[in-house]
Amino acid sequence: EVQLLESGGGWIQPGESLRISCAASGFTFSTFAMTWVRLPPGKGLEWVAGISVSGYSINYGDSVKGRFTISRDDSKNTVYLHMNNLRGDDTAVYYCARNSTDVFDLWGQGTMVTVSP
Amino acid sequence: DIVLTQTPLSSPVTLGQPASISCTSSHSLLYSEGNSSLSWLHQRPGQPPRLLIYRVSQRFSGVPDRFSGSGAGTDFTLTISRVEAEDVGVYYCTQATQFPYTFGQGTKLEIK
Repeated sequence: EVQLLESGGGWIQPGESLRISCAASGFTFSTFAMTWVRLPPGKGLEWVAGISVSGYSINYGDSVKGRFTISRDDSKNTVYLHMNNLRGDDTAVYYCARNSTDVFDLWGQGTMVTVSP
Repeated sequence: DIVLTQTPLSSPVTLGQPASISCTSSHSLLYSEGNSSLSWLHQRPGQPPRLLIYRVSQRFSGVPDRFSGSGAGTDFTLTISRVEAEDVGVYYCTQATQFPYTFGQGTKLEIK
């Protein structure tokens, strides 16, 4: 089955770090760019970060630039989001999505990250 | 950054009636001859988003034909020809022409 499965979310204190993962199955992961999108409670979708095939091109949303790092391990069919210096406004459901050229055509179920004292 | 503005933000509709959502971009979304990277997503509460329409007017696999997309340049529209109960939720337009990619604010579709 073609799917994406996020993991690693949880409750964390402000200023701390967390890494979330997204495991892909059912398709040739290494041939697709990948992206992270988040949905804060009561708000709309926000694009967080994207990584190209082979990881040669990486981009970030303005609110996470310098704090978050996206990476991929094609041998494990997994994309990661390393989040440092977390803040309350980083609280959200984090989704990974597959990029088929300029189209987000496959989404995971999401993992919740709560940043609170 | 490219700003996408959706109208309306809330849309109460009657079952069986049409509905439309507009998305206006602050910059042209043309990235190659004839192609604009504008997609529409649908998200129900507690579920991930799902792709409905890509490249303005291309219906994604499995999407009912009551959904259609139109537009060009900076002005785009999602139309539902006859709203069904399962269509409730939030609709987002999104662009992948220029980094950072961006989303509209979302339009909440409700049944009257």
